[in-house]
Amino acid sequence: EAQVTQNPRYLITVTGKKLTVTCSQNMNHEYMSWYRQDPGLGLRQIYYSMNVEVTDKGDVPEGYKVSRKEKRNFPLILESPSPNQTSLYFCASSFLAGTGREKLFFGSGTQLSVL
Amino acid sequence: DAKTTQPPSMDCAEGRAANLPCNHSTISGNEYVYWYRQIHSQGPQYIIHGLKNNETNEMASLIITEDRKSSTLILPHATLRDTAVYYCIVRVNNAGNMLTFGGGTRLMVKP
Repeated sequence: EAQVTQNPRYLITVTGKKLTVTCSQNMNHEYMSWYRQDPGLGLRQIYYSMNVEVTDKGDVPEGYKVSRKEKRNFPLILESPSPNQTSLYFCASSFLAGTGREKLFFGSGTQLSVL
Repeated sequence: DAKTTQPPSMDCAEGRAANLPCNHSTISGNEYVYWYRQIHSQGPQYIIHGLKNNETNEMASLIITEDRKSSTLILPHATLRDTAVYYCIVRVNNAGNMLTFGGGTRLMVKP
């Protein structure tokens, strides 16, 4: 089954404790992206990647890191989480625009609480 | 990418057509219009997309005006399960880049 898998689904942590949210897709997509969603602010893009070893900042990259060492995986890293990073996070993937197959597939989300 | 404007909320009676408008007056010639929806806090789900012509699939129809400055998503027979936030975005159809989701329209389908 074609899917984007995020883990964990829920995470509670404390300020300053490094964490990683994993994202994996099985559709051989080139494009992967991370979003955060906060009440009243909609979906905001954090980082995106157009292929292996190619990443770029989205709207709100501060406090986050990503890596794209393999095509299927795109982990989101919070080196020193702070309470303002408490949010619902989504990973998404698609084929590159221009291929006619650009629709985004989203993961189920990760609810992160930083105390 | 062009910015989109949608009404924050709409109501629709169950069984009736739901027509969700989107303005994208600054859209350029190579930008596609995409629609997604998000039910509760689930991951957004792709609905439909188009460039110039009207499109229809098993979920919805997309009507794009001739000048491409606005579009309408039509759910022909809305059900309670169609209650969701609907996002209209535009995306340049070249090498993938940053995608911006606006606030969307919260559609409430009522019995």
